[in-house]
Amino acid sequence: EAGVVQSPRYKIIEKKQPVAFWCNPISGHNTLYWYRQNLGQGPELLIRYENEEAVDDSQLPKDRFSAERLKGVDSTLKIQPAELGDSAVYLCASSLGGTFQETQYFGPGTRLLVL
Amino acid sequence: AQSVSQHNHHVILSEAASLELGCNYSYGGTVNLFWYVQYPGQHLQLLLKYFSGDPLVKGIKGFEAEFIKSKFSFNLRKPSVQWSDTAEYFCAVKNGGGNKLTFGTGTQLKVEL
Repeated sequence: EAGVVQSPRYKIIEKKQPVAFWCNPISGHNTLYWYRQNLGQGPELLIRYENEEAVDDSQLPKDRFSAERLKGVDSTLKIQPAELGDSAVYLCASSLGGTFQETQYFGPGTRLLVL
Repeated sequence: AQSVSQHNHHVILSEAASLELGCNYSYGGTVNLFWYVQYPGQHLQLLLKYFSGDPLVKGIKGFEAEFIKSKFSFNLRKPSVQWSDTAEYFCAVKNGGGNKLTFGTGTQLKVEL
């Protein structure tokens, strides 16, 4: 079974430029998560989708970050414009249905460096 | 808000030594507990999880963890580590009624030959 797929794996941009990350969850997984992992820290949730609906985006900096999950499968996370502090690893995860007793499966992440 | 503490940030052990990594959480209600591992150059993988029942849970590669409710702890153990266990280990907690997974800051384990 294929795991969570993310692209690109690495991205280097200059500040104020836009950037987008793509995620394809495990087939059949209705719940999709985007996390940000800063250096030396654990992942922190940015947004959670149940199918197409964003059900928890309280930690998403909405002035510059946006996300979408069209058709309830793939998802894209965008930053516009990027700032130096956005340098981090952006992780996508998925789970079957988002219930309490569920395991989240993580993708390899996109390592973003903003210069 | 719930929080997760991993007190050991860096641990260095020799092969065959025993391992115990500490994890404490702040939430007082029903919790689901996880240990994830990230090997060098690889993505986060589930090591083991506790949902309910026997508080001693066994995971992959000989790891186990014990949930002690009274101490709000979920420590990870392995009786004899191998060089291939070199990785970063993350404890994570999901509280009852919610779906948010909160991670600790991670412990970097280096096993020397």
